[in-house]
Amino acid sequence: QSVLTQPPSVSGTPGQRVTISCSGSSSNIGSNIVNWYQQLPGTAPKVVINSDNERPSGVPDRFSASKSGTSASLAISGLLAEDEADYYCSALDDSLNGVVFGGGTKLTVL
Amino acid sequence: QVQLVQSGAEVKKPGSSVKVSCKATGGTLSSYSISWVRQAPGQGLEWLGRIIPILDITHYAQKFQGRVSFIADKSASTVHMELSSLRSEDTAMYYCARDKGGTLGSWLDPWGQGTLVTVSS
Repeated sequence: QSVLTQPPSVSGTPGQRVTISCSGSSSNIGSNIVNWYQQLPGTAPKVVINSDNERPSGVPDRFSASKSGTSASLAISGLLAEDEADYYCSALDDSLNGVVFGGGTKLTVL
Repeated sequence: QVQLVQSGAEVKKPGSSVKVSCKATGGTLSSYSISWVRQAPGQGLEWLGRIIPILDITHYAQKFQGRVSFIADKSASTVHMELSSLRSEDTAMYYCARDKGGTLGSWLDPWGQGTLVTVSS
């Protein structure tokens, strides 16, 4: 059971916009930054959003994120086949005094 | 541009220990904080802890306290992760990654390629 809760799967067709939610609590998302990672099959994770809503250099502007209270969400617009991957949210948890991850969401591009 | 290169796959017996290495190339390891994350087959990501090599400060996840240790070899720009009392549930891909923002909870970038540790009798 992960500390941060994500839907197991989402899907969309090419060109569509999809969102992935991440629900936490006051000890993690509510008080610390949220980071999002993309993991393509057979590869190491890669950060796509850091510090709640900042896009690292090289990440397409189709990726965006937001946070409100104890929840965060990642949005991917103009969906491409290459976006098919697992996505994880992450934050520091003050109660656990450590980094926690969501269980991951598998994005399928139909 | 710093890259993290990890040691090769390991097969271990239950009850034994494993040591995984993470070498920084293209930069000095001492400038960074390095976190360790693992991923069991078909499962999600789990943070084991981190080390600040330049200060030799370690911070372990509560779940792994007493069973995991991180050591920095600054002269070799390498960080080692040792996990003891291995059990089958420790079978996973182990990743090292730099804490890009520098503080606990900052984003991890880049990541090593991963080291598969298999625990089997």
